Amino acid sequence: NAGVTQTPKFRVLKTGQSMTLLCAQDMNHEYMYWYRQDPGMGLRLIHYSVGEGTTAKGEVPDGYNVSRLKKQNFLLGLESAAPSQTSVYFCASSDIRAGPQHFGDGTRLSIL
Amino acid sequence: RKEVEQDPGPFNVPEGATVAFNCTYSNSASQSFFWYRQDCRKEPKLLMSVYSSGNEDGRFTAQLNRASQYISLLIRDSKLSDSATYLCVVNIDRTGGGNKLTFGTGTQLKVEL
Repeated sequence: NAGVTQTPKFRVLKTGQSMTLLCAQDMNHEYMYWYRQDPGMGLRLIHYSVGEGTTAKGEVPDGYNVSRLKKQNFLLGLESAAPSQTSVYFCASSDIRAGPQHFGDGTRLSIL
Repeated sequence: RKEVEQDPGPFNVPEGATVAFNCTYSNSASQSFFWYRQDCRKEPKLLMSVYSSGNEDGRFTAQLNRASQYISLLIRDSKLSDSATYLCVVNIDRTGGGNKLTFGTGTQLKVEL
């Protein structure tokens, strides 16, 4: 059971570089989410999507962009990476509006 | 006041002990409540949903008190494998779609021999 799959698992970038994190889910969920987790701050929502072709801002969207061209995929982009974006990034999906979310195993990103 | 507040712990308990965590939330419009478990350097995993009537899953019992705006998690007969961080999660169904979950920063549990 794949569930939610994130790639890559680890990445080190230099300040100013760009990259895209991929999230794929095989559960046919409508809703998908990107979070970041930093020590002592809990999980914070970056962007989310309520269906194919839609995206919306979460609580910490600055410096990130997202796309949901296919229902099963949700991409998170960093156009110009900054050290403040060093974090663990989690993707999640859910099938109903107020239901629980299922998480991928995370991407550890370090910006030097 | 934080939207979701938890005691960070750590709670160090002997194997076999009963331990309880509380979590308070600030928004009375909150609709759904969950407990997640997160092991070190792993993703959060759903432990259980919390229903108004309270619910039990084996050694785990969750309670919701809407009047006082808190939820609780009780773990009986603690096992070494219960050692993890427990996240209190509250959903607010916001206008415009989405399903915004607000996560507490977690309570760390260490079960010892």
